Parts: sequence; C-alpha cells; structure tokens
Amino acid sequence: GQNIDQPTEMTATEGAIVQINCTYQTSGFNGLFWYQQHAGEAPTFLSYNVLDGLEEKGRFSSFLSRSKGYSYLLLKELQMKDSASYLCAVTDSNYQLIWGAGTKLIIKP
Amino acid sequence: IAGITQAPTSQILAAGRRMTLRCTQDMRHNAMYWYRQDLGLGLRLIHYSNTAGTTGKGEVPDGYSVSRANTDDFPLTLASAVPSQTSVYFCASSAASGYYNEQFFGPGTRLTVL
Repeated sequence: GQNIDQPTEMTATEGAIVQINCTYQTSGFNGLFWYQQHAGEAPTFLSYNVLDGLEEKGRFSSFLSRSKGYSYLLLKELQMKDSASYLCAVTDSNYQLIWGAGTKLIIKP
Repeated sequence: IAGITQAPTSQILAAGRRMTLRCTQDMRHNAMYWYRQDLGLGLRLIHYSNTAGTTGKGEVPDGYSVSRANTDDFPLTLASAVPSQTSVYFCASSAASGYYNEQFFGPGTRLTVL
C-alpha cells in the first residue's frame, strides 16, 4: 500500500527553527510537495523536490532523500503567522498526489 | 475571477438528497481534481480529470460523480447523500497532470449531511 507519515503535531517558539519530517512508501516516485494550510483555508504550495538535496526558499527549506524515502521541511526564524498545518504529498507512478495527514505546527511567543 | 472558485461555501443537507458542488477555474489549467478532507486524514482524491472530456476515479469515488464538459468547470455530484459524506471538499487544478503537477486549490465547501 501507499503510505505517508508525518508527526501529528509540533510546538515551537517564535524566532526558533523547526524541522518537520515526512517519510513515504509509494508505488513509484515523481516528486514531493510541501503545502501549508492555515485553519479553515485551502492548502497553498510551499516547495517541490524531485532530486536529492536541499531546496532553499527564504525562511523555508525542503530536503529530499529518495533512497531513504524521507523529506523534511525546515522553517527558520519562526513567526506567529507560521502557525498552520504542513502537508507532505508525493506524486506516484500514476502522477497522482498521495497526501500525508499533515503536521499541525503551534508557535508560542 | 482569479484562480479557483467553489460554491456553495457551506451547506447542510438531508440524507438522501442530491447535491452538486460547483468548481470553476480561470487559469486554463488542463487537469482538475476533487478531494475530501477529514480530521486526522490526509486529502483523499475522489475524482480527477486530466483534460476536458475525460474523467477518472480516485481513491474514494463511491457515491460521487463528476463531469468535465469544458476546461473551466468541474462539478461534483452526490446522487444520494449519506452522513459519511460530511466533510470539507476541495477542488484543485494544475496546468498538467504529469511530472510536475503543482496543484492550486479553491477555498473549499463545508458539507454536513444529517
């Protein structure tokens, strides 16, 4: 079966750094996405990785290791507005997105 | 219109009733998707369309049907609603359905079936 695992909830302090992990087992791999979803809103795109390594975009970075079936999203200089759920999704061999349940990130002052 | 719109925003529906959720995009994207999102579960694909005139079944298609008569519109119909279909429904689109398929989401429809 296809499976994507993420922690259910994480807590971090404003100004700190947090790493959200995602492990996956899917039928094929054609890329991995991270999306942000604020409560009551739609998911919005954050990053895409298809090759191993780190992709940096401002305060957010995403890492991929295809051999380990592993990715993480790194958020630096945390702000209160970063309180949201972070969704990991993998494009499988049929080019469909398989979604994790999401990690709810709580930022404390 | 800019992006994807969905209607209605929310709806309370009696079990057994028929309901159509509307989705319209103005980005000329080829591919469109319907997901449901339930607490503790990831987004689950109901149906998709890679291009106008074609549709396919996702992970949880039972009880739902779709049509794609043109590029812009992708309505989702519940023929006879049941309480287990209570959920938040998101419509999404992407420029293509292949390798890099960044999806753009509508604001969602919150449906309650009693």
